[in-house]
Amino acid sequence: LAKTTQPISMDSYEGQEVNITCSHNNIATNDYITWYQQFPSQGPRFIIQGYKTKVTNEVASLFIPADRKSSTLSLPRVSLSDTAVYYCLVGVPTGGFKTIFGAGTRLFVKA
Amino acid sequence: DSGVTQTPKHLITATGQRVTLRCSPRSGDLSVYWYQQSLDQGLQFLIQYYNGEERAKGNILERFSAQQFPDLHSELNLSSLELGDSALYFCASSDNQYTDTQYFGPGTRLTVL
Repeated sequence: LAKTTQPISMDSYEGQEVNITCSHNNIATNDYITWYQQFPSQGPRFIIQGYKTKVTNEVASLFIPADRKSSTLSLPRVSLSDTAVYYCLVGVPTGGFKTIFGAGTRLFVKA
Repeated sequence: DSGVTQTPKHLITATGQRVTLRCSPRSGDLSVYWYQQSLDQGLQFLIQYYNGEERAKGNILERFSAQQFPDLHSELNLSSLELGDSALYFCASSDNQYTDTQYFGPGTRLTVL
């Protein structure tokens, strides 16, 4: 299973762009990179998924370099409501799929 | 609203007891996943079912078991409960067995006294 490494926590201010980087050195050829957001006492919520280069949706952008050994989740102009834990996952389909959520990154957005 | 429902929302029980948590996946989703989240352990994958069959097992205790029924809803059974089993239990669903795009339910908060 590809292991991921993310910063434990980050602080930001409202209106700023936040970039959270995830390292996944052992990513396999067929792996996708997925990010989830979790608020306290709620289930994680899918944010974005990508395989390579750049993916953008209405919530965030995901940048994946050519070697795919890392990825960066970019949240434009964060607000207080973006305060949450962000998880980076790398999918390994092996005939039985074990989803591994690491510790995630606690983002705290200040006014 | 993810479309995944879980019941009950809260459950308070005593040590040694047995409880059943229920999950209904999003319409059309064949895969169901169960997770446990406690304060000191983070989000732990327990087990996955796909179209009624067990597909992957994580750190699920022998006292815990799950199944997925023909109508695709799933139940997680927890027996001989211990204080340490107090946690949030989440169910998630996806439309296939090989994707990380999972949709999580609101969770069941289990308190063991």
